[in-house]
Amino acid sequence: QKEVEQNSGPLSVPEGAIASLNCTYSDRVSQSFFWYRQYSGKSPELIMSIYSNGDKEDGRFTAQLNKASQYVSLLIRDSQPSDSATYLCAVSGGGADGLTFGKGTHLIIQP
Amino acid sequence: GAGVSQSPRYKVAKRGQDVALRCDPISGHVSLFWYQQALGQGPEFLTYFQNEAQLDKSGLPSDRFFAERPEGSVSTLKIQRTQQEDSAVYLCASSLKAVFRDRAYEQYFGPGTRLTVT
Repeated sequence: QKEVEQNSGPLSVPEGAIASLNCTYSDRVSQSFFWYRQYSGKSPELIMSIYSNGDKEDGRFTAQLNKASQYVSLLIRDSQPSDSATYLCAVSGGGADGLTFGKGTHLIIQP
Repeated sequence: GAGVSQSPRYKVAKRGQDVALRCDPISGHVSLFWYQQALGQGPEFLTYFQNEAQLDKSGLPSDRFFAERPEGSVSTLKIQRTQQEDSAVYLCASSLKAVFRDRAYEQYFGPGTRLTVT
């Protein structure tokens, strides 16, 4: 069964620093990888998608994918208190057409 | 433009009642997904539609769960004879493209329906 693992946290990072969020997945055939941000009581909001090995940057966010190591990460530069949320890693492939999500990492940005 | 909408936002049902949850995807989106999210967990996949065709229902937890998308737009998730373990947030997501050979594209979520079964 396809699994996605994330450290549940909380991960506490000072304002202005870089927050690093990590995710590992079990299914080698996975093709698509996503990071979602979820505020308490709200639905997931898409932050980044990545499909190929390497880095993908969008503003303050950088997603990194290493398929050989089955590892995907999200870096948030110049962290702001508004970045405090749960970050969900999601992976496609491996049989089901839907995404498989990790349990999420709770990120706290300390002012 | 308008995002994914879901109704009702909150639903309280007595055990044994049937419920129907509605999802309006982003206009023109081919793919529609239903997920179930329990407190403190990530969303879990329930079912997938490509236009009006239900191509994957592998995540539906029991035969009490039924979903349809008859005209390839609005979708309804129906739960018959609700049980307490059905209490969760039900999320709908849509995507512009179809899933192809294990490759999925960006999915955009609605606000969810919080179902509480008493």
